[in-house]
Order: sequence, then structure tokens, then C-alpha cells
Amino acid sequence: GQNIDQPTEMTATEGAIVQINCTYQTSGFNGLFWYQQHAGEAPTFLSYNVLDGLEEKGRFSSFLSRSKGYSYLLLKELQMKDSASYLCAVRDGLTGGGNKLTFGTGTQLKVEL
Amino acid sequence: DVKVTQSSRYLVKRTGEKVFLECVQDMDHENMFWYRQDPGLGLRLIYFSYDVKMKEKGDIPEGYSVSREKKERFSLILESASTNQTSMYLCASKGNTEAFFGQGTRLTVV
Repeated sequence: GQNIDQPTEMTATEGAIVQINCTYQTSGFNGLFWYQQHAGEAPTFLSYNVLDGLEEKGRFSSFLSRSKGYSYLLLKELQMKDSASYLCAVRDGLTGGGNKLTFGTGTQLKVEL
Repeated sequence: DVKVTQSSRYLVKRTGEKVFLECVQDMDHENMFWYRQDPGLGLRLIYFSYDVKMKEKGDIPEGYSVSREKKERFSLILESASTNQTSMYLCASKGNTEAFFGQGTRLTVV
């Protein structure tokens, strides 16, 4: 099975940097995803990590440590529009052809002036 | 532009009714998923399919079934709807990397 943990809520200031953590336990890790979801909308893809290290994409970066079962999403130069829920998802390599995708409960980020 | 389309945005059904939620993708993806999303519980996997006619139970399959007769279409079936199945239902389609989501169906069972 899989167990994915993220903080429920975070608050940060416009222009600042925020780090959202995700820890996981899984029987067959095969990749970790971060998604952004604004209220009332579908989740949209942000990043994908399958190897250890940092993946940078503009203002967003994602880090993975497979040995620690740990990832974080780093958001720089925060903007008000970044207020959203951030979902961590893990792909299980042992189930359903290696494509079972399980989500954490999400971290609600509020960006304030 | 990739597209995952769910047949209804809002749906109201009565307890005991059989309910069909349809999802169609145009990306030729093998993998399709049905989730429900509830406040405080996040996205929970109901069923998924990694090929035509193949299906796997997710974490909360009870009270649901699925059908994947064609690659582009994945249907979620509530055999006898109950009030605790009132939720937002999200379909996703996935190729080699990320999953793409439909807009969701807000189902209310009264």
C-alpha cells in the first residue's frame, strides 16, 4: 500500500519563497508528481521526479530523495495567483502495470499581501 | 491540445438509482483513473484501468464498478447510489508521464 503525508495548510507572503513537503511510504516507488488545484477546478500538472535531485521549472522546483521517501515543492517569488491546493502523488510500480497513481490530501497554500 | 471530457458537470440523482459517469480522452492513453474528492480527504482512487477491458481496484472501490470497452472511454458506475456517494468525481488519463484531469462531475445523491 501507500501512505502519503503533506501539511494541511500553509500561509506565505507575496514575493516570498515557500517549501511544501511530502513524505511517502510505498511498496514500489515509480515516480512522484506535484499538481496544483485552484478551488473549483481540476488539478493541473506541475512537476515529475523519478530520480533523486532537483527539477527546476521557472518559479517552481521539485526535489526528491528516494532513500528518505521525501519530496518538496519550492515556489519562488510568490504571487497571489499561487493561492491553491498543492497535491503530491506517487506512482506505484508494482500495481496495475506500474501506473497506479495515489494522491496525498493536498496542502492548501494561502498567499497574503 | 489534450482533452479529458466528463459527460456532466453537475448531476443530481436519487438514492437507489443506477448512475453512469462517462469519461472520454483523445490522447490515446492506456491509463485512465476515477477519483473522488471530498473536503479533508483529498483525491481518493476508486478504480483505474491500464488497458482496454483491464481494471484494477483502487483504495475505495466499494459501491462502484467500471467499464473500459474502448481505449478512449472509461465509465464509472454506481450500482445503487447512496447519499454517502455525494462527491466530486474526477477522471484522469495518463500516458508515460503526467496525468491529465477532466473538469469533474459534482454528483449529489438525495
